[in-house]
Amino acid sequence: SQTIHQWPATLVQPVGSPLSLECTVEGTSNPNLYWYRQAAGRGLQLLFYSVGIGQISSEVPQNLSASRPQDRQFILSSKKLLLSDSGFYLCAWDRLGTSGNTIYFGEGSWLTVV
Amino acid sequence: SQKIEQNSEALNIQEGKTATLTCNYTNYSPAYLQWYRQDPGRGPVFLLLIRENEKEKRKERLKVTFDTTLKQSLFHITASQPADSATYLCALGGSYIPTFGRGTSLIVHP
Repeated sequence: SQTIHQWPATLVQPVGSPLSLECTVEGTSNPNLYWYRQAAGRGLQLLFYSVGIGQISSEVPQNLSASRPQDRQFILSSKKLLLSDSGFYLCAWDRLGTSGNTIYFGEGSWLTVV
Repeated sequence: SQKIEQNSEALNIQEGKTATLTCNYTNYSPAYLQWYRQDPGRGPVFLLLIRENEKEKRKERLKVTFDTTLKQSLFHITASQPADSATYLCALGGSYIPTFGRGTSLIVHP
């Protein structure tokens, strides 16, 4: 069966510090990978998605970046965090099949920028 | 502009009653619509998918309807239980990445 791992689960970072969130998927190959952010009381905001190694599409221009160095690895980064970067970050994957794009989410990473 | 609207106010119901959540959309032509459940501090979990040519879908105590003329989906939980308390999100999909609504919080009181 497929599983998705995301870490760290919680982090508190000062303004201006770098960020690295990592996500890996097991049990499938060539998945589509996503990074979402969910601010308090807000909906899911798609940040980045990737259909293959090295292929990254950005949905929202900001000081975050994403990379996909391996087929089942997706990394969210920032060189300098802003207060507005605080939120709940979710990695997700899907694979288009006869059932449509069912999206499977990781457990999330809580980021507080102070 | 494209919109997916879910009631932002929490839905409070008594245990045993049927909960009905609404998802309305504008300027979309989805091939399918999905419902997800999200518990506090957790990632959303897929519940049901209904296609544009389907009127109704059932899974245990869950029922989803899809009216492409009204551009609306209704999500029902029958015989609701306190364990059903969570936020429920709808998502529209097709030839594009599924797009999520903000979700509606359901609170089932014992």
